[in-house]
Amino acid sequence: DGGITQSPKYLFRKEGQNVTLSCEQNLNHDAMYWYRQDPGQGLRLIYYSQIVNDFQKGDIAEGYSVSREKKESFPLTVTSAQKNPTAFYLCASRDPGTMAFGAGTRLSVL
Amino acid sequence: QKEVEQNSGPLSVPEGAIASLNCTYSDRGSQSFFWYRQYSGKSPELIMSIYSNGDKEDGRFTAQLNKASQYVSLLIRDSQPSDSATYLCAVTPEGATNKLIFGTGTLLAVQP
Repeated sequence: DGGITQSPKYLFRKEGQNVTLSCEQNLNHDAMYWYRQDPGQGLRLIYYSQIVNDFQKGDIAEGYSVSREKKESFPLTVTSAQKNPTAFYLCASRDPGTMAFGAGTRLSVL
Repeated sequence: QKEVEQNSGPLSVPEGAIASLNCTYSDRGSQSFFWYRQYSGKSPELIMSIYSNGDKEDGRFTAQLNKASQYVSLLIRDSQPSDSATYLCAVTPEGATNKLIFGTGTLLAVQP
């Protein structure tokens, strides 16, 4: 089945810890995205990548980092510099038309 | 002014009625418009896209676009309780075709 796989589904972060959220797609899409969603809020863009080995900051990139070493993979690291990381994180990929989303990772702070 | 604005709701309609969801956007040069449905705790799923002025119908859903008024809407006919969800409007801004800007969503509640 073609799709976008995010893991884990739930993640807990301790104070001062970096955590990495995985995103893999087999849709052969060039563009991939990370969004953050807070309760009752819309989606805010963290980072996006249009091609391998290239990525751009979105509107709320501070405290986050990404890599794009393979077309299929776009992992997001939430660093200790992100002081309010509790949110629902959504990975997406896009062909020239539509954007499809993974199932999301819910991150909480211990 | 927010780039994409939606009334947060909740919009409550009785089962079988028409639900009308509205969205305005600030970038006059925007070219692509999308409606996503998001159930509580789940990720958004695309239900409609529209690119030119007028109406586009797909089953019980109709998207309407008016670029002069910078307005896009979604009509849901014969609303069902299973349509209860948050509906997100998304817009591709001019000069940034690789981006999608989302509104905050409208919560729709269909009453049985």
